[in-house]
Amino acid sequence: AQTVTQSQPEMSVQEAETVTLSCTYDTSENNYYLFWYKQPPSRQMILVIRQEAYKQQNATENRFSVNFQKAAKSFSLKISDSQLGDTAMYFCAFMKLGNTPLVFGKGTRLSVIA
Amino acid sequence: ETGVTQSPTHLIKTRGQQVTLRCSSQSGHNTVSWYQQALGQGPQFIFQYYREEENGRGNFPPRFSGLQFPNYSSELNVNALELDDSALYLCASSLARDYEQYFGPGTRLTVT
Repeated sequence: AQTVTQSQPEMSVQEAETVTLSCTYDTSENNYYLFWYKQPPSRQMILVIRQEAYKQQNATENRFSVNFQKAAKSFSLKISDSQLGDTAMYFCAFMKLGNTPLVFGKGTRLSVIA
Repeated sequence: ETGVTQSPTHLIKTRGQQVTLRCSSQSGHNTVSWYQQALGQGPQFIFQYYREEENGRGNFPPRFSGLQFPNYSSELNVNALELDDSALYLCASSLARDYEQYFGPGTRLTVT
């Protein structure tokens, strides 16, 4: 069974600064997907970024980028130029190939301070 | 293109009662997954439906059941409600062979 661990329950960052959220996972699979989802107080789970395990290049989406270390089973999220609207719960998630269920971590609550 | 919708938004039930939650999938999506998110936790997989058939189930008792209709909308039914069933219930739709799941806004269920 796959597990996902987020070791930082809460983090805060000053507006315009950079913050990194950590995630580790455990799997025996070789091919899989990793995701970061954002859940603001509105509760809607929003996909932030995804990474295919077979791709060595780290994924980037505007201010969001990941550091994917397959051998270490680590998948951290870097948010640059933090904005007040980035305040939310962030969940790291794992999925085997073929649209099998997402396995989520417990989340990191990020607060962006003005 | 219409996104994933869920109804109702909030619901309060009494222990022992039954509840039905509804989900309309995004246009063109034939797979619906349901997740339970307890307060302060990440979502936990309940089950998935693909073309009206159950296509995988998490570690939830049989009193959690579901349906998917020909238009790919779905229902989650919970019988004999327990206090621990209080949670946010999330529905996500996807193309069966696509890996991106699109979530609805959730239904907050409170069991008293």
